[in-house]
Amino acid sequence: DADVTQTPRNRITKTGKRIMLECSQTKGHDRMYWYRQDPGLGLRLIYYSFDVKDINKGEISDGYSVSRQAQAKFSLSLESAIPNQTALYFCATSDLHSGDTGELFFGEGSRLTVL
Amino acid sequence: GQNIDQPTEMTATEGAIVQINCTYQTSGFNGLFWYQQHAGEAPTFLSYNVLDGLEEKGRFSSFLSRSKGYSYLLLKELQMKDSASYLCAVRDSNYQLIWGAGTKLIIKP
Repeated sequence: DADVTQTPRNRITKTGKRIMLECSQTKGHDRMYWYRQDPGLGLRLIYYSFDVKDINKGEISDGYSVSRQAQAKFSLSLESAIPNQTALYFCATSDLHSGDTGELFFGEGSRLTVL
Repeated sequence: GQNIDQPTEMTATEGAIVQINCTYQTSGFNGLFWYQQHAGEAPTFLSYNVLDGLEEKGRFSSFLSRSKGYSYLLLKELQMKDSASYLCAVRDSNYQLIWGAGTKLIIKP
């Protein structure tokens, strides 16, 4: 089983609908992130959280919200989806103490299409 | 602004060697990462450089020159399974990761 699990893996929805992408991890990491990936662009950070009580906006947080329900769970919501939010979304975790690199461990991705 | 540049696509032959370059301009520097991403899959960590020089890990090596804002990933004895995108990312002074758009590597028999 994957250490970082995202649900759903694929979702097609309509403009204006509310969508939630969920992420859970068994790595015991404190830090969790949500990224989106678009063709021809680098990964862009949406939100990140360093512990349960900590939520921080990333580069492109407009139109998104998050909830850190527990150390192991970090959800991303699109309150009113629009077509330009069509993208591949990744959840990731890290631990500052993982060999001092702070490398990211990614989930399998959630492909979202907004019609 | 902050910027990471790497070639969009490269082609190489099975068994050969390929070098993927990455240049960066960021607000501060706290390490450079290379990740591999197969089509439709999650990125996976390959290497980390924080000091100048070469880091070798099996068939893969990564080089860093902080003064030149430059890194490369060297892949030796290429195998078909190395066909993937290779992502360069720099951690800036705020410990945020800045990502390049990735280099798609195509391996031909």
